[in-house]
Amino acid sequence: KNEVEQSPQNLTAQEGEFITINCSYSVGISALHWLQQHPGGGIVSLFMLSSGKKKHGRLIATINIQEKHSSLHITASHPRDSAVYICAVIYSGGGADGLTFGKGTHLIIQP
Amino acid sequence: NAGVMQNPRHLVRRRGQEARLRCSPMKGHSHVYWYRQLPEEGLKFMVYLQKENIIDESGMPKERFSAEFPKEGPSILRIQQVVRGDSAAYFCASSPPARDGYTFGSGTRLTVV
Repeated sequence: KNEVEQSPQNLTAQEGEFITINCSYSVGISALHWLQQHPGGGIVSLFMLSSGKKKHGRLIATINIQEKHSSLHITASHPRDSAVYICAVIYSGGGADGLTFGKGTHLIIQP
Repeated sequence: NAGVMQNPRHLVRRRGQEARLRCSPMKGHSHVYWYRQLPEEGLKFMVYLQKENIIDESGMPKERFSAEFPKEGPSILRIQQVVRGDSAAYFCASSPPARDGYTFGSGTRLTVV
């Protein structure tokens, strides 16, 4: 079964802390996305990765294709980073053409 | 350059009515995807369309749900004879032909009463 597992499910941290959210998947993929969703809000695409590492502001995303694992890091976290972070993949080799999603990580950054 | 436009943002329907959700992709994007987010659940793929073609509808319920992306105008997700279990947030996303980027709309929150 093609699954996307995220950890932790919930994370509460203090402002300024370094945050890491992990994502693992079971079979080969053509791309992996990190998404952000605020409560009751829309979905913002943060990164799309197929290899290596990407950085945007305080956000860093890495992927290890051999280990089937990706991480999203937030440096100098801020309360406005509080949101649900979702990992999603597009599986290679056929199957559904849409994204397969993890259940999300609920992040709360306390001031 | 407007992003993906979904309307309405909120839709209330009585059981048995029809719901029509609209999605206008980003300029230059020819691929549209619909996803559903049930309360307290994750996002699930429903259907992938290109202009005038359904490419993959493996995530669509077999009955009452249909989608189209006509040559002109927005993509439409249509739910006939809605039931309470259809209450969810429906998100549309679009990508360019190379499928090397995704942009999501703000979603339509459907409530069936």
